[in-house]
Amino acid sequence: EAGVVQSPRYKIIEKKQPVAFWCNPISGHNTLYWYLQNLGQGPELLIRYENEEAVDDSQLPKDRFSAERLKGVDSTLKIQPAELGDSAVYLCASSLQGLGAYNEQFFGPGTRLTVL
Amino acid sequence: AQSVAQPEDQVNVAEGNPLTVKCTYSVSGNPYLFWYVQYPNRGLQFLLKYITGDNLVKGSYGFEAEFNKSQTSFHLKKPSALVSDSALYFCAVRDGGFQKLVFGTGTRLLVSP
Repeated sequence: EAGVVQSPRYKIIEKKQPVAFWCNPISGHNTLYWYLQNLGQGPELLIRYENEEAVDDSQLPKDRFSAERLKGVDSTLKIQPAELGDSAVYLCASSLQGLGAYNEQFFGPGTRLTVL
Repeated sequence: AQSVAQPEDQVNVAEGNPLTVKCTYSVSGNPYLFWYVQYPNRGLQFLLKYITGDNLVKGSYGFEAEFNKSQTSFHLKKPSALVSDSALYFCAVRDGGFQKLVFGTGTRLLVSP
C-alpha cells in the first residue's frame, strides 16, 4: 500500500513569494490533515478535512494561508505571501475515520520550507 | 485543553539495554494516547495507541507502552534497545471530541553501540 505522498520535499523561496504544497493521501482515507512542525517541536494542526469539507481550520492563519481539497482526495496548501517565520516542515497526514472510531493518522515525509 | 508532556529532551541508552521514554498527559474524559517515531528527513511513523482495554499496549518494532491512569502516564518501553531505534519520539493525545492530535515536544533517543 502506498503511503501519503507529498511534494515538493524541499522548497527555498524569498520572502513575499507564494508557495504551494501538494499532498496525496492513502487511497480510501476520508480525513486529511495539514500540520506545521517547527524545529525541535511537535507537529501542530493547521487544518483538517473530512472528505471535501474543512471541519477544523481554527489554527490556519487565514490572512496568508489557504488550503483546498477538491474531490475529497488530493489537497494543496498555499502560502501567499511567505514570511521568514514560515520556515518549517509542513506535514500532511491521512486517516480513515468513522463514527465512534478513532484510527491512527499516517504521515507523509513532509515539505521542508526555507524562506530567505 | 488536552496536553502531553515529555519531560526529557534526550534519552541515552546502550544497545541491548531496556529503554523508557516518558510521557504524561492531561485530558478531560477518556484519554486516547499515541506514540509516533520520526527518523531524519522523514514523516512520523505510528508505533502504537491506547484507546481502552489492557494497560500494556504492544506496538511496532518491539515497542510497548504502559498506560497508568493514576499517574496519568503513558511511557514508551522496549526490553532491548537497538542502535537503529535512535530517532525522535513523540507522544500525542486526541483533543477531546476533535479528530486532531496534540503532540508533545518530542524526546530524542540515542542508542549507543
